[in-house]
Amino acid sequence: GEDVEQSLFLSVREGDSSVINCTYTDSSSTYLYWYKQEPGAGLQLLTYIFSNMDMKQDQRLTVLLNKKDKHLSLRIADTQTGDSAIYFCAELRNPQTGANNLFFGTGTRLTVIP
Amino acid sequence: DAGVIQSPRHEVTEMGQEVTLRCKPISGHNSLFWYRQTMMRGLELLIYFNNNVPIDDSGMPEDRFSAKMPNASFSTLKIQPSEPRDSAVYFCASSFSAAGTNNEQFFGPGTRLTVL
Repeated sequence: GEDVEQSLFLSVREGDSSVINCTYTDSSSTYLYWYKQEPGAGLQLLTYIFSNMDMKQDQRLTVLLNKKDKHLSLRIADTQTGDSAIYFCAELRNPQTGANNLFFGTGTRLTVIP
Repeated sequence: DAGVIQSPRHEVTEMGQEVTLRCKPISGHNSLFWYRQTMMRGLELLIYFNNNVPIDDSGMPEDRFSAKMPNASFSTLKIQPSEPRDSAVYFCASSFSAAGTNNEQFFGPGTRLTVL
């Protein structure tokens, strides 16, 4: 399909790991991103992965990329209440055309239960 | 850098009035994006500019919406006349786009528009 797909909601207990999944659309997408949106704020880049990588780790965050299935995931270890936010997956499609707009998913609202 | 600056932060207006939203991108960025976010439709790209030139305005919902970028440091999104269904949070974002860069978009804080 044309849409970047994500589950709408995820709830986890504080201290557990969170895994947010995304299915993107274009196998030639070069960059894939995870953005975080806290209440009342704009989106902020959390992390990104280049398409020639399978995994990227940054402190509590682990990004896994499965290009064959066009599947991207974000794992947050030791989830804290401050991680409660909406997480958006995004892809950069067709970079060879010069287009640089990102295609965003619907966002997954993560709720961390104390 | 102060980041992407949007004004006003909140706007309440009556149906039929003209609304102008403003954005100042990060200095040195060459791409600017206008988004709309609602509970029903999520985040939608309305239009984006590269080097002040509109590239894709296919997301602009109707002729009531227009956007301009007269120079590299300023853009406006205008709705005339406004309708209640235009109520949303409007985000502006900017990026530096070039070969070999990750095209990260930096978002402003948004303008919350309420049309009564």
